[in-house]
Amino acid sequence: ILNVEQSPQSLHVQEGDSTNFTCSFPSSNFYALHWYRWETAKSPEALFVMTLNGDEKKKGRISATLNTKEGYSYLYIKGSQPEDSATYLCAVNSGNTGKLIFGQGTTLQVKP
Amino acid sequence: SAVISQKPSRDICQRGTSLTIQCQVDSQVTMMFWYRQQPGQSLTLIATANQGSEATYESGFVIDKFPISRPNLTFSTLTVSNMSPEDSSIYLCSVALGQGGLDSPLHFGNGTRLTVT
Repeated sequence: ILNVEQSPQSLHVQEGDSTNFTCSFPSSNFYALHWYRWETAKSPEALFVMTLNGDEKKKGRISATLNTKEGYSYLYIKGSQPEDSATYLCAVNSGNTGKLIFGQGTTLQVKP
Repeated sequence: SAVISQKPSRDICQRGTSLTIQCQVDSQVTMMFWYRQQPGQSLTLIATANQGSEATYESGFVIDKFPISRPNLTFSTLTVSNMSPEDSSIYLCSVALGQGGLDSPLHFGNGTRLTVT
């Protein structure tokens, strides 16, 4: 069974701080890695999908990197804002079926 | 993108009863999934809802407990049967647009927050 680990489990930062989270996964049989943001009372929203080793993607103040050889991805948030407060989920596609295996998430709280 | 309407948004149910959750998509989609998140746990795939055939269940989930219907390409239901407090979770409907390839993100409904007393 594919095991996806995220760290830290939770994080509290001040507004303006930059932060990053880690997602670890088995490097064998890798197909794709997804990052989602899940705000309270809303549905999870896709941030990035990455497939290639060395991929880097950016969306505003949020960026992500992927290392498939060593089995990890980093999500970076530059200059955190209170509206960034959410749970960030990492998920790995274990095959070309769209089925994703999720990590437990990192819950970010940004204090004004 | 897709607009996914899921209902109910929340419910409180007594043990032993059943609840049916509905998921309506505003466009035809091939791949539709049901996930749940138990308190403190990760999102876990329950099953893939297949149009016109029986759903494909993941290990640990069975049809008698979680019957799924998929009568067409825009609608699905998940029933949580004979509920116990352990079934208290957030249940999410999700779809993959297009062919659901490697680079296709999932789109989710707002979820159903179920509490079983």
